[in-house]
Amino acid sequence: GAGVSQSPSNKVTEKGKDVELRCDPISGHTALYWYRQRLGQGLEFLIYFQGNSAPDKSGLPSDRFSAERTGGSVSTLTIQRTQQEDSAVYLCASSSGGWSQPQHFGDGTRLSIL
Amino acid sequence: DQQVKQNSPSLSVQEGRISILNCDYTNSMFDYFLWYKKYPAEGPTFLISISSIKDKNEDGRFTVFLNKSAKHLSLHIVPSQPGDSAVYFCAASVNSGNTPLVFGKGTRLSVIA
Repeated sequence: GAGVSQSPSNKVTEKGKDVELRCDPISGHTALYWYRQRLGQGLEFLIYFQGNSAPDKSGLPSDRFSAERTGGSVSTLTIQRTQQEDSAVYLCASSSGGWSQPQHFGDGTRLSIL
Repeated sequence: DQQVKQNSPSLSVQEGRISILNCDYTNSMFDYFLWYKKYPAEGPTFLISISSIKDKNEDGRFTVFLNKSAKHLSLHIVPSQPGDSAVYFCAASVNSGNTPLVFGKGTRLSVIA
């Protein structure tokens, strides 16, 4: 497709389970970003991949969160031992360059931890 | 500590009138600012940006104004249309846009026909 694709669109899981969220960026975009948006809050930066550089993980809230970007394209955000406070919409974006380039967002994955 | 503040959670405007969305920031190192629009169940879409070397940037019906001394920026939409009804996020970055964006909590704009 032409845009950023995220799957699943919704995920409900029990506390303590691991979850994997997937992002397919726009083809050719070198930069990929993950954000979290809790209810009533702004977007919270999690992690940033740019080309072959080491990712900027400065936004990850704990070591339960990790992300990979394989082959410079698809990315997976993994949350281990989920907690109720992890409930949020997780948004992925991609761009043709760094932070100064407009980011194109997917529609997000709504994660609910019971 | 909120570095980017959108103090109005919601705003209602009549169709055809001007919508003014405000954003304040506390970090004087911010030098690049963006506005994103978000419809329900969709990801945000980029609207307009401004560098701190400018005080105004215009794109069609959308104009962003930056007042560095007041650490304040605003988005003007004129004329407002019902399709503009969405949540608008202000975002800021340091180092000419080479560091993670810091987002405000958003303002929900409702344009009434």
